Amino acid sequence: GQQLNQSPQSMFIQEGEDVSMNCTSSSIFNTWLWYKQDPGEGPVLLIALYKAGELTSNGRLTAQFGITRKDSFLNISASIPSDVGIYFCAGLGAGGTSYGKLTFGQGTILTVHP
Amino acid sequence: NAGVTQTPKFQVLKTGQSMTLQCAQDMNHNSMYWYRQDPGMGLRLIYYSASEGTTDKGEVPNGYNVSRLNKREFSLRLESAAPSQTSVYFCASSGTGESPLHFGNGTRLTVT
Repeated sequence: GQQLNQSPQSMFIQEGEDVSMNCTSSSIFNTWLWYKQDPGEGPVLLIALYKAGELTSNGRLTAQFGITRKDSFLNISASIPSDVGIYFCAGLGAGGTSYGKLTFGQGTILTVHP
Repeated sequence: NAGVTQTPKFQVLKTGQSMTLQCAQDMNHNSMYWYRQDPGMGLRLIYYSASEGTTDKGEVPNGYNVSRLNKREFSLRLESAAPSQTSVYFCASSGTGESPLHFGNGTRLTVT
């Protein structure tokens, strides 16, 4: 099946620092999604990207859909303690029916020190 | 808004016991999904239902069965639980196959 490589696996940063994480794949995706998971809860959608080259912001978050359709990055500016959590990228496969073809990265664990 | 509701939140089973995880969504979504989350492995799809009346296997279906009871409800059954099924289980729904998924808060299952 399709594989997503998400990096880094974990990050320890100081409050106020900027954060960058990315996902790469050998396969093409039609849609890239970024989710955040707080402890004890389910993933929550942060940003959805639907076109190659698309750059989308949501407050302090910015994400881009790579031109090759095989990668995406997420940036968080001026981090705050509530940014702590696990961030997942997810790609929706190209071709045919999309049902069940959402592939998740392994997650980036973010820790923010006050 | 409730969104996607899962019950129970926690469960401990002995090897060989059976149980059903319940999931309901109130967003009038057509598609529903069951994932399991294990450390270092992200989320893996167990089964999905593209629409009411249909179900299909995902990446890791062995040891599980599902029922799409109606448009709102999608249950996951473990007939004979095994320690390898210790995991956090998430139900999700989406309007269509191309729409982003909305997740419930998970069921934490331990099989001893």
